[in-house]
Amino acid sequence: GDSVTQMEGPVTLSEEAFLTINCTYTATGYPSLFWYVQYPGEGLQLLLKATKADDKGSNKGFEATYRKETTSFHLEKGSVQVSDSAVYFCALSLDSNYQLIWGAGTKLIIKP
Amino acid sequence: DGGITQSPKYLFRKEGQNVTLSCEQNLNHDAMYWYRQDPGQGLRLIYYSQIVNDFQKGDIAEGYSVSREKKESFPLTVTSAQKNPTAFYLCASSMITGAPSHNEQFFGPGTRLTVL
Repeated sequence: GDSVTQMEGPVTLSEEAFLTINCTYTATGYPSLFWYVQYPGEGLQLLLKATKADDKGSNKGFEATYRKETTSFHLEKGSVQVSDSAVYFCALSLDSNYQLIWGAGTKLIIKP
Repeated sequence: DGGITQSPKYLFRKEGQNVTLSCEQNLNHDAMYWYRQDPGQGLRLIYYSQIVNDFQKGDIAEGYSVSREKKESFPLTVTSAQKNPTAFYLCASSMITGAPSHNEQFFGPGTRLTVL
């Protein structure tokens, strides 16, 4: 069935380090892909999205490129800050229904 | 400001009691969702609704009930049948269109339920 797999966390980095959080998916058809972020004690916020192959979503210095050939949507940021500490969720959406299929989430910890 | 409100932010209940969590949206979205989140874990879908007076079970509906009498409201009742109700509950809403890219879900701030 359709699924999303994220790298396990926590991921711990120093401030200004380069970030990659891996996300791969299995889906029939042509999904849209999303990254959401959850700060401690809060709900989720959409970080970025991509709706077709080779699209790049970007927001707040984060980027992710929809790679159909590798079924991936890895999240990257060139220089992380302490304020980026949060849990990051990868998700996909299909034409067949209006639900999102979620990855398990990756906790990111940035140390000053 | 458009958005989703959930109340209360923290809720305590005794074992054996039912409790209702509120979710209201003013985004004019057709679809609404309830998720459960346990510490260190991802989101699990409890119920969802795409239209007033209709709703569907998600992956973990047992011990929960919902209603959708108005487009903007989707309350969740945690019943005494739910064996382990202590968790963080998130409500979300989205548009329904033919394009999956429009299925971006907007989330409320969540309600943390603790059973004493």
